Amino acid sequence: GQNIDQPTEMTATEGAIVQINCTYQTSGFNGLFWYQQHAGEAPTFLSYNVLDGLEEKGRFSSFLSRSKGYSYLLLKELQMKDSASYLCAVSSYNTDKLIFGTGTRLQVFP
Amino acid sequence: NAGVTQTPKFQVLKTGQSMTLQCAQDMNHEYMSWYRQDPGMGLRLIHYSVGAGITDQGEVPNGYNVSRSTTEDFPLRLLSAAPSQTSVYFCASSYTGTGPQHFGDGTRLSIL
Repeated sequence: GQNIDQPTEMTATEGAIVQINCTYQTSGFNGLFWYQQHAGEAPTFLSYNVLDGLEEKGRFSSFLSRSKGYSYLLLKELQMKDSASYLCAVSSYNTDKLIFGTGTRLQVFP
Repeated sequence: NAGVTQTPKFQVLKTGQSMTLQCAQDMNHEYMSWYRQDPGMGLRLIHYSVGAGITDQGEVPNGYNVSRSTTEDFPLRLLSAAPSQTSVYFCASSYTGTGPQHFGDGTRLSIL
C-alpha cells in the first residue's frame, strides 16, 4: 500500500519563506505531485518530481529524495493569496492510482 | 476550453435515493478518476479508468459504481445513498495515470 504524511497546518508571514514537507512509503514509486487547493475550489497542479533534486518554478520549488521517501514544497516571497491547502500525491508504476496525502493548510498573515 | 465538467454542482438527497454524478472531459484524456474529499481526510480515490471500457477500484469504492463507455464521460453512480456519502466529489482526468490531473469544480453532495 501507500502511506503519505504531511503536516496538518502551518502559518507564515507575508514575504517570508515556508517549507512544507511530505514523506511517503510506496512500492514502485513513479513520481510525486504537489497541488494547491483554495477553500471551496478544485485542486490545481503545481509541480511534478520524478528524479531526485530541486524543480524550480517561479516562487515555488519542489524537492525530491527518492532514497529517503521525502519531498518538500518551498514557497518564497509569500503572498496573502498563497493561503490555501497544499496536497502531496504519489503515483506508482505498480498501479495506475494517484494517492493523495491529507494536505497541509497554510495560513499567511500580514 | 471546457476542460473537466461536473454536474450538478450541488445536490441534496434523501437516504436510499439513487443518483448519478456526471463528469465529462474534452481533452481526449485516457485516464479519469473520481475522488471524494472530507474534512481531515484529504482526497480519497473512489474509482478510476485507464480508458474506455476499463474501470478499477480505488481506496473507497464501496457504495459507488462507475462505467466508461466513451473516452469523454465517466459517470459515478450512488445506488442507495447513505449519510456517510455526504462529501465533495471531484472528477479528474489526465493523459496517463502518472500525469498531472485536471480537476473539475466538484459536486457538493448532502445526504439526509
